[in-house]
Amino acid sequence: DGGITQSPKYLFRKEGQNVTLSCEQNLNHDAMYWYRQDPGQGLRLIYYSQIVNDFQKGDIAEGYSVSREKKESFPLTVTSAQKNPTAFYLCASSVQGIATDEQFFGPGTRLTVL
Amino acid sequence: GDSVTQMEGPVTLSEEAFLTINCTYTATGYPSLFWYVQYPGEGLQLLLKATKADDKGSNKGFEATYRKETTSFHLEKGSVQVSDSAVYFCASRSPYSGGGADGLTFGKGTHLIIQP
Repeated sequence: DGGITQSPKYLFRKEGQNVTLSCEQNLNHDAMYWYRQDPGQGLRLIYYSQIVNDFQKGDIAEGYSVSREKKESFPLTVTSAQKNPTAFYLCASSVQGIATDEQFFGPGTRLTVL
Repeated sequence: GDSVTQMEGPVTLSEEAFLTINCTYTATGYPSLFWYVQYPGEGLQLLLKATKADDKGSNKGFEATYRKETTSFHLEKGSVQVSDSAVYFCASRSPYSGGGADGLTFGKGTHLIIQP
């Protein structure tokens, strides 16, 4: 079955540590995205990538970093510079990065900073 | 910048009631519009979409019409079921890229609770 996988489902981190969230898709999509969801809030865009080896900052990129070395993978690193990293993180992909494309979402990773 | 406003929840209805969840948007040009649904602890699933004015998206008994004149995309269903209980997100995406605008712009979500 084609889809998007995110791992791990739950992640705990101590303050001051970097942590990397995995996102893999086998849909052969060009574009991939990372969103952050906080309770009672909509999703906010962290980073997006329309093609391999290229990515752009979204609305809340500070304290995060990404890479796109392979078409199917778009890992997100939450660095110690992110002031409030506890949240639900969702990865998505679309065929291309155009406005009419549906975005397909993974099941999410819940990050808790202890 | 672009924004999406949807009615606050939770919205509690009885089974077989009529559902309306209001959504309005502000955007440059004519965005594509989407409704997504999220079940507890899961990612988002696309419910329906519309990409130009007067388009009607529909799926699983849900409908929404792209109204340019009122900048709205209200979600409706004639008879809700307990299984429709979830959080519903309205979202837009501008056709203009650049400046961090290439993702979806989401409303805050509406928690729908259907009682038997």
